Amino acid sequence: GAGVSQSPSNKVTEKGKDVELRCDPISGHTALYWYRQSLGQGLEFLIYFQGNSAPDKSGLPSDRFSAERTGGSVSTLTIQRTQQEDSAVYLCASSPTDYGYTFGSGTRLTVV
Amino acid sequence: DQQVKQNSPSLSVQEGRISILNCDYTNSMFDYFLWYKKYPAEGPTFLISISSIKDKNEDGRFTVFLNKSAKHLSLHIVPSQPGDSAVYFCAASAARQAGTALIFGKGTTLSVSS
Repeated sequence: GAGVSQSPSNKVTEKGKDVELRCDPISGHTALYWYRQSLGQGLEFLIYFQGNSAPDKSGLPSDRFSAERTGGSVSTLTIQRTQQEDSAVYLCASSPTDYGYTFGSGTRLTVV
Repeated sequence: DQQVKQNSPSLSVQEGRISILNCDYTNSMFDYFLWYKKYPAEGPTFLISISSIKDKNEDGRFTVFLNKSAKHLSLHIVPSQPGDSAVYFCAASAARQAGTALIFGKGTTLSVSS
């Protein structure tokens, strides 16, 4: 597609359940990033994939969070045993280099 | 500790006037700065950027100024229009650190009234 696609756009889940968020980057973009925006907060960096290099996981808030990028394209962010503080908008971005991010519209996650 | 700070959570401006959004940073390794604009229910979109070798970059109604000694940058919008009402995020990167993701501030909500 022409842009970064994220699914689902909205997700409501019960506390303790696992969720998977998907990101389809722009074709050919080698870099892919996950950020989240909690209520009243800025964009918090979570994880960064660049080509075949090992991902930069330094922003993941706990070991309940993990992400993978298959075939250098689609990425999945998994949150295990969700907690209410995980509620946020999760944004994915891709870029052809380290700059020039294009963001998706995000997945709004609500943990009840 | 926040490396990129936007100390004003909101700004209200009348249509036609200048909007000035400010951003401060603490990491002296940052050498590339960007502004993103975000409407509700949409992802942020790139607005304008500046490299540390410059102190000003202009694109139409938008100008970004960089003061490296003060570790401060600002975005000027002239003239402001109601359609500029959005959340503006300042972001920074240290290109010398390969593979560094952008660090964002908390954003400033701009409201332009007609």
